[in-house]
Amino acid sequence: DFQMTQSPSSLSASVGDRVTITCRTSQSISTYLNWYQQRPGKAPQLLIYAASSLQSAVPSRFSGSGSGTDFTLTISSLQPEDSATYYCQQSYSRLMYTFGQGTKLEI
Amino acid sequence: EVQLVESGGDLVQPGGSLRLSCSASGFTFNTYVMHWVRQAPGKGLEYVSAISSNGVNTFYADSVKGRFTISRDNSKNTLFLQMSSLRIEDTAVYYCVTDSVVLTASRYYYVMDVWGQGTTVTVSS
Repeated sequence: DFQMTQSPSSLSASVGDRVTITCRTSQSISTYLNWYQQRPGKAPQLLIYAASSLQSAVPSRFSGSGSGTDFTLTISSLQPEDSATYYCQQSYSRLMYTFGQGTKLEI
Repeated sequence: EVQLVESGGDLVQPGGSLRLSCSASGFTFNTYVMHWVRQAPGKGLEYVSAISSNGVNTFYADSVKGRFTISRDNSKNTLFLQMSSLRIEDTAVYYCVTDSVVLTASRYYYVMDVWGQGTTVTVSS
């Protein structure tokens, strides 16, 4: 089974800050790594797929990088609407995906 | 417009059963792998189950294996999750999610790109 570890579990930052969230997997998954944003009371939304590809309509201040076992999600200039919980998810194990435990970002 | 609408969530006693439904519209349902993902109150996302487009292959998280059954009716564009022997720890919002394949320059990738609004299951005496 894949283990996904995100860090930090939570963080607080200010508008305009640059923040980075990391995700580490227990086994190499190449670039089969997706990132999701979940605002309070809402369903998650896909932000980034294939580790670094931006989903349509997602602002360019979001970016992803990494391969193998170590990945990062970066928000270059925080906006108030970025306050949310962010999850990484592996899609390497087809149809038995795994999520990280989430990172709660407060602005 | 691509849409997923879950229903069937309710308050049920421990040991009870419940069937969730997910009605799909706006896309060719019978060509998509589908998933159920849940989220307990104040907790993170937990992957629950998946089913292939033709319904032949199914997959379950260890936490629900032997108690939950995923199925689909492609003639009615509907996904189901039959839950039995429910436990208090099954209390959660249950989301129905599509699995889409994205082709990049070098390979195929898989994303969970359309989510329903969720239906709430509460297991309590």
